Amino acid sequence: AQRVTQPEKLLSVFKGAPVELKCNYSYSGSPELFWYVQYSRQRLQLLLRHISRESIKGFTADLNKGETSFHLKKPFAQEEDSAMYYCALSGSGGSNYKLTFGKGTLLTVNP
Amino acid sequence: DTGVSQNPRHKITKRGQNVTFRCDPISEHNRLYWYRQTLGQGPEFLTYFQNEAQLEKSRLLSDRFSAERPKGSFSTLEIQRTEQGDSAMYLCASSFQGASGNTIYFGEGSWLTVV
Repeated sequence: AQRVTQPEKLLSVFKGAPVELKCNYSYSGSPELFWYVQYSRQRLQLLLRHISRESIKGFTADLNKGETSFHLKKPFAQEEDSAMYYCALSGSGGSNYKLTFGKGTLLTVNP
Repeated sequence: DTGVSQNPRHKITKRGQNVTFRCDPISEHNRLYWYRQTLGQGPEFLTYFQNEAQLEKSRLLSDRFSAERPKGSFSTLEIQRTEQGDSAMYLCASSFQGASGNTIYFGEGSWLTVV
């Protein structure tokens, strides 16, 4: 069974502080990991995926297969980063159609 | 906006009534998905179409739920004899499975409240 755990429901930081949103997963195979973000009154949108190894809006995430983690990090948080963040997992190859989401972490960046 | 479009955006219905939601995916996307999201939870997979073929249905999709994607374009999700437990946000998403992977794009969702 595939499972995604986001241990923090709420995370509050001050502007300019580092932020790390935790994500752990369980999957018997080679997963693809994603971070989705939902800003207030907007649709869910892809932030980044581990395969791309890119930095989006200053966020990075590294897949750690040993610890089965895919934590999202940003060295200096901005107020506009305040949003709901979901970690998600899919299988790879022919199993890449179904996303399993965590429950989400609400990030608040205070001025 | 050429993203995934869903309607109606909000629906309030009485218990026992039938409701239907429509989803228009991004043009040329061959995959279409339905998810359900309740308060405090992440989206949960309901079903998936590759073109017009429904290839997987979650156990969450009881026999009161039916989804179709005629001609491989838009999709409908019908809930018959609604129950209060059906109250949720129903999300549609689409993607194009290609060489660069399978990035899934979500619609804004349809809120269902069963009273």
